[in-house]
Amino acid sequence: GAVVSQHPSRVICKSGTSVKIECRSLDFQATTMFWYRQFPKQSLMLMATSNEGSKATYEQGVEKDKFLINHASLTLSTLTVTSAHPEDSSFYICSARAGTPGNTIYFGEGSWLTVV
Amino acid sequence: DAKTTQPNSMESNEEEPVHLPCNHSTISGTDYIHWYRQLPSQGPEYVIHGLTSNVNNRMASLAIAEDRKSSTLILHRATLRDAAVYYCILRSGGSNYKLTFGKGTLLTVNP
Repeated sequence: GAVVSQHPSRVICKSGTSVKIECRSLDFQATTMFWYRQFPKQSLMLMATSNEGSKATYEQGVEKDKFLINHASLTLSTLTVTSAHPEDSSFYICSARAGTPGNTIYFGEGSWLTVV
Repeated sequence: DAKTTQPNSMESNEEEPVHLPCNHSTISGTDYIHWYRQLPSQGPEYVIHGLTSNVNNRMASLAIAEDRKSSTLILHRATLRDAAVYYCILRSGGSNYKLTFGKGTLLTVNP
């Protein structure tokens, strides 16, 4: 299947700082990417939908000024957690829509964020 | 998105077939049925998807009921590497490609 890569896989940052997570589609162009957050022993929660060249659409309850999403190219979307706090510590996962065949959604391997 | 219902957990033995059920009684005519699985500390992995007809691929088979109100993911010979949380997800057939995850089924494979 298609490959979606995230970087970094693990990051530790200090409270109050910002951290950026990259999501790349390696072998296909993705006009649409998605960002999820997953807390331990819980399911994935969709945070936002990112369309190339336009503003992201955030799910209800997700602060757009805290979770900045940029989708500047067809193969790269970034999530920046601004002014991170310990409660932002989570597993962040991106996914990308491959146009063909069947508009299948492929997921990255996830990024662990720990805010200390 | 229409809701799906899956058992919280299931257990199987290695090298035996596994049938993972999913109920989706409120499915609409344009909803696709998707299955993903997630191993611990990894992103979900695409398994299979279908609309009306049964589907087969190298990983699994998807059997869709005639009324489409339920489906079953079939792993023909379970291996220890198949132990994961399996998610059954409905996605509308329009331009909204969002996948909404439920709690899924935790599959345990016994050696």
